[in-house]
Parts: sequence; C-alpha cells; structure tokens
Amino acid sequence: SQTIHQWPATLVQPVGSPLSLECTVEGTSNPNLYWYRQAAGRGLQLLFYSVGIGQISSEVPQNLSASRPQDRQFILSSKKLLLSDSGFYLCAWSAPWGREQYFGPGTRLTVT
Amino acid sequence: SQQGEEDPQALSIQEGENATMNCSYKTSINNLQWYRQNSGRGLVHLILIRSNEREKHSGRLRVTLDTSKKSSSLLITASRAADTASYFCATFYSGGGADGLTFGKGTHLIIQP
Repeated sequence: SQTIHQWPATLVQPVGSPLSLECTVEGTSNPNLYWYRQAAGRGLQLLFYSVGIGQISSEVPQNLSASRPQDRQFILSSKKLLLSDSGFYLCAWSAPWGREQYFGPGTRLTVT
Repeated sequence: SQQGEEDPQALSIQEGENATMNCSYKTSINNLQWYRQNSGRGLVHLILIRSNEREKHSGRLRVTLDTSKKSSSLLITASRAADTASYFCATFYSGGGADGLTFGKGTHLIIQP
C-alpha cells in the first residue's frame, strides 16, 4: 500500500530564517506530487506541483521554492521566511493517470 | 482564483440526522471531489464524481452534480459523532495550466451527540 510522510510535524522559525520541509511517498512510482498551504480557517492553496524528477510548476509567485531530487521526494524550501509564510503545509500525491489525491499529515509552520 | 465555494460555512446537527453541504464552482470541470479534514490533520479523499455523472454513492455518502448550475452537494446520512470534521469540495480542470485541485474554504460540520 502507498504511504506519504511529511516532516517535521511542527516547526517554529524566526523571520528571515531558511526553511526545508520534506515529503516522501512509498509504494508507488512516478507519482504526481503537490504542495499546498492552508491558512487558518481557509481552504487549500496549491503552491507547486511536479509530474517528474526536476519538473516543478509554480502556481503562486512567492518566496518559496520546491524541488524534486528523487522520484518520490518533494521538498519545499525558502531562503528567508516571512511572517505570512505561517500556515499548515500539506503534501499530496496522485497517480499519473488518476485524479484523486492522497495527503500527508501536514506540517504546522509558525514564523515568529 | 477560488473555484469551489462550500455552503454553509458551518453546520451543527444532532447525531443521527442527515447533513447536507453544497458546493458551487465557476468554470467547466473534468471532475469534482469531496475531501474530509479532521482538525489539524491531512485531507482524506471521500468521493469523486465525473462531469458526465449526476449522482454517486459511497456508504453513507451521496454526492450529486449539476453541471448546468455548476453545483454539487454532499449528503451524509445517519450522521455520527465521528463525522465531525471540515468538508471540502475540490474541482479538477485540465487545460488550465495547472494539474492540481482547486479547493473551497470548506464546511465545518459538528455532530452533537
């Protein structure tokens, strides 16, 4: 069966510090991978998606970036965090041919 | 831009009653999906309905889709305390330059024991 992991589960970082959130998927090959952000009391905003290694599409211009160094690894990064980067970050995967998405447990990021 | 909008934003009912949530969207879609999110957790996929389908069932869930009105509804029958969660509709569209889902803000459902 497929599983998706995210870490860390929670993170408190000062403004201006770097960020690295990691997401890995097990039990599937060549998944589509996604990063979403959920602000408090709001829906999910798609940040990045990837259909393959090294292929990243950005949906929202911002100070975040994403990378996919391996088939089942997706990393969300920032060089300098802003207060507005606080939120709940969710990674998801889907099969290349499928449309259902399967979400990880999320990372709660607080920028202070 | 926001594609799906759920209504109501919050719903509180007694255990055993049926819960109905609605979703409206703006542009053409390939499919519409409903997800559940327990507090502080990731989302769980519930059901997908394609644009050429009008109704779909899964256990106690019933989803309808009216593409002429650009709306969908999720019905949870015989609600249980464990159904307390936020429910999101999400639309998928191809050719829009994105391959991700567009989510609404969700309906927060509370089941009173």
